[in-house]
Amino acid sequence: MVLTQSPGTLSLSPGERATLSCRASQSVSGNYLAWYQQKPGQAPRLLIYWASNRATGIPDRFSGSGSGTDFTLTISRLEPEDFAVYYCQQYDNSRYTFGQGTKLEIK
Amino acid sequence: EVQLMESGGGLVKPGGSLRLSCAASGFMFSSYTMNWVRQAPGKGLEWVSSISASSSYIYYADSVRGRLTISRDNVRNSLHLQMNSLRAEDTAVYFCVREKESHQYGSGWLVWGKGTTVIVSS
Repeated sequence: MVLTQSPGTLSLSPGERATLSCRASQSVSGNYLAWYQQKPGQAPRLLIYWASNRATGIPDRFSGSGSGTDFTLTISRLEPEDFAVYYCQQYDNSRYTFGQGTKLEIK
Repeated sequence: EVQLMESGGGLVKPGGSLRLSCAASGFMFSSYTMNWVRQAPGKGLEWVSSISASSSYIYYADSVRGRLTISRDNVRNSLHLQMNSLRAEDTAVYFCVREKESHQYGSGWLVWGKGTTVIVSS
């Protein structure tokens, strides 16, 4: 399965709303779709699991939605610390796949 | 504190071998599926391998099958990755990762180590 994230780069200002897309080449079974945030030099951090569940400690400005082949990560009001690279990940048929990432940069 | 700490990375020649280890602490290691994931310089994340809590189920990415072997020691709370026949394209930071939910796959990777760097070069 292939996950395609768009856009590749998103340029926004603090306070704006960010919408990141993740499209799967086939339906994601069991909604096994997760989102991660990665900052330079750090390990990724789990934001969203099972498509729409926020991980513990993740601010409620982060939300996940979608099912089947189309999934979205929304950040309602960008904070300076939100500028990073975001990856979607799916699990299916005993393997994991990541999208290529969306870089969220300050405009 | 829940923690994962990788070790064993380094510089190795093409065709060589390396053994990565991951020490787990702060949680019941024997109850969780564990994974290795890697990230080549400036690139995205690539899943490498997974092993179930009891080692009954082991899975590999096509790119490493037959060359890399995952294993775990539930007595010593450690995860390992034996890397043989290494290639330049195996150069990456290797992360040890724990699933969010015990005895599950696909629940999200909640706990990450800081990573260990493997460089394959002559």
